[in-house]
Amino acid sequence: AQRVTQPEKLLSVFKGAPVELKCNYSYSGSPELFWYVQYSRQRLQLLLRHISRESIKGFTADLNKGETSFHLKKPFAQEEDSAMYYCALASGAGSYQLTFGKGTKLSVIP
Amino acid sequence: EAQVTQNPRYLITVTGKKLTVTCSQNMNHEYMSWYRQDPGLGLRQIYYSMNVEVTDKGDVPEGYKVSRKEKRNFPLILESPSPNQTSLYFCASSPRHTLYGYTFGSGTRLTVV
Repeated sequence: AQRVTQPEKLLSVFKGAPVELKCNYSYSGSPELFWYVQYSRQRLQLLLRHISRESIKGFTADLNKGETSFHLKKPFAQEEDSAMYYCALASGAGSYQLTFGKGTKLSVIP
Repeated sequence: EAQVTQNPRYLITVTGKKLTVTCSQNMNHEYMSWYRQDPGLGLRQIYYSMNVEVTDKGDVPEGYKVSRKEKRNFPLILESPSPNQTSLYFCASSPRHTLYGYTFGSGTRLTVV
């Protein structure tokens, strides 16, 4: 069965410092991974997908199949980055099942 | 505006009183899903639907029912709610392949007393 692990419940960094939110996965097939973000009192939003290799709001994430990781990174944290971040893995025949990690709360200290 | 709409946003009910949380999307998405979000547990999938009349259980389906009679609607039914179903519920939809990413509703905060 697939599993997504986000080892940190809470991560606090100072404004301007680098950010790395960790995500490890367990899946026997070819992984399709995502990062979702939930700002205070708002709905979840897709932040980025590993297949598109994009950078959104300065965030990037690289899939490392050897380490089964998909860590989210940003070189310089901003206060508006404070939110809950969820790593998710798509699986199933049509990749229609999305398994989420338990989330990491990022707090950026001014 | 493309969106997923859930109603109600907040609901307080008593144990055993049947309730339905509605979910509607206007993007002609094939795939819809329900999640519950609990502190320390993240999001857990309750049920999902790959298309009209096609539904299947997620990770935590006990105590819930769903139906998909129309493509746009995917209601979540609690036949006999219990206090352990107090949670924040999210509906989500996506095109056929979830590589395009889910669109989430605003959430329904349910309290069962």
